[in-house]
Amino acid sequence: QVQLQESGPGLVKPSGTLSLTCAVSGGFINTNWWSWVRQTPGKGLEWIGKISHSGDSAYNPSLRGRVSFSVAESNTQFSLKLSSVTAADTAIYYCATSNYHDSSGHPWGFDHWGQGALVIVS
Amino acid sequence: DIVMTQSPLSLPVTPGEPASISCRSSQSLLQSNGFHYLDWYLQKPGQSPHLLIYLGFNRASGVPDRFSGSGSGTDFTLKISRVEAEDVGIYYCMQALQTPYSFGQGTKLEI
Repeated sequence: QVQLQESGPGLVKPSGTLSLTCAVSGGFINTNWWSWVRQTPGKGLEWIGKISHSGDSAYNPSLRGRVSFSVAESNTQFSLKLSSVTAADTAIYYCATSNYHDSSGHPWGFDHWGQGALVIVS
Repeated sequence: DIVMTQSPLSLPVTPGEPASISCRSSQSLLQSNGFHYLDWYLQKPGQSPHLLIYLGFNRASGVPDRFSGSGSGTDFTLKISRVEAEDVGIYYCMQALQTPYSFGQGTKLEI
């Protein structure tokens, strides 16, 4: 059973950088794209962006250039950095992926989700 | 950006009865490959969302056949033929046609 697990500091100071890592375990996912999604009480579920195994990426413009991704060559770990955080970035952060992405990198449903990491900006 | 709008936002149901949730997108979700890039997720209390339906009508692995998805263009529906107690939670639709992918506000199903 493939599992995704987020990890990272649960508390970040305002204006600091939020850093999270997602580790893949329990099997191999034949996928080339990895996404991050966050959940806040006020805005619900928000897609943050995605990165491919080769380093291609797409971001949600709402994050105004504050976000960056990286992926390990082993394709078993990928990371998120969000800079200049404010209280509005307080959320549960999920990593997610799909068993299949089309030729444009769009997922056929996010089959796999991490359990989520709560990050508080304070 | 594509805006996703769900209705109703709250759905009280009786076990054994059917339920239906609507999702509307601000533009068509039909891709040139013929598929509609519309997914449905259920988030049970204290859990991560999990996939129910992908590409408009395909049930994900392990999803009971009482769940079905339909629709085209900009209008989609998730139906539960007979609601069970374990179906409580928040249901979300999501479009994956173009980035930024976007979710509906969520529909809270309560028994």
